[in-house]
Amino acid sequence: DADVTQTPRNRITKTGKRIMLECSQTKGHDRMYWYRQDPGLGLRLIYYSFDVKDINKGEISDGYSVSRQAQAKFSLSLESAIPNQTALYFCATSESGEGYTFGSGTRLTVV
Amino acid sequence: TQLLEQSPQFLSIQEGENLTVYCNSSSVFSSLQWYRQEPGEGPVLLVTVVTGGEVKKLKRLTFQFGDARKDSSLHITAAQPGDTGLYLCATPGGSGGSNYKLTFGKGTLLTVNP
Repeated sequence: DADVTQTPRNRITKTGKRIMLECSQTKGHDRMYWYRQDPGLGLRLIYYSFDVKDINKGEISDGYSVSRQAQAKFSLSLESAIPNQTALYFCATSESGEGYTFGSGTRLTVV
Repeated sequence: TQLLEQSPQFLSIQEGENLTVYCNSSSVFSSLQWYRQEPGEGPVLLVTVVTGGEVKKLKRLTFQFGDARKDSSLHITAAQPGDTGLYLCATPGGSGGSNYKLTFGKGTLLTVNP
């Protein structure tokens, strides 16, 4: 099994719909992150969590919310999806001072 | 947030050629990480450099950290098609520890043609 598992891998949804992207990790790390990747814009941080009771906004949190259900699970929600939220979404986990382990990503298309 | 500039943005070369890609900032890096992202997958950590002037080698990949810790380079010798991917540099925000979160450059997209 992968260290970081993201579901679904691909999703097409309609404008205005609520959608949840899920992430689980088996690394036992406290820190988890959500990034989106867009061509020409790189990886941008949406939300991050340093433990179950700690949730922080990243640089582009508007239109998104998160839930840290357990140490191993961190989900990202789009309350009312819009077309400019079409992107590749990555979940990652880390220990303090170490590099990130990323999931394989979710390709989201909002039509 | 520290800005990272990567160059070139795109690079297409033939198998067997050598290449260098760069990551620069106007601010000092506390440390720097290099990742490679293959199509359809998430980035994978290649190396972390911490000390100014540091050189690390990973098979045909050589990573250098500038003496002033404001720049870093990745050199690939005798590139192979399997080296194709997006190469990203990243640095921690804040002072590390409890404020540890990475800022990424936009990457260099490398294509190695057979």
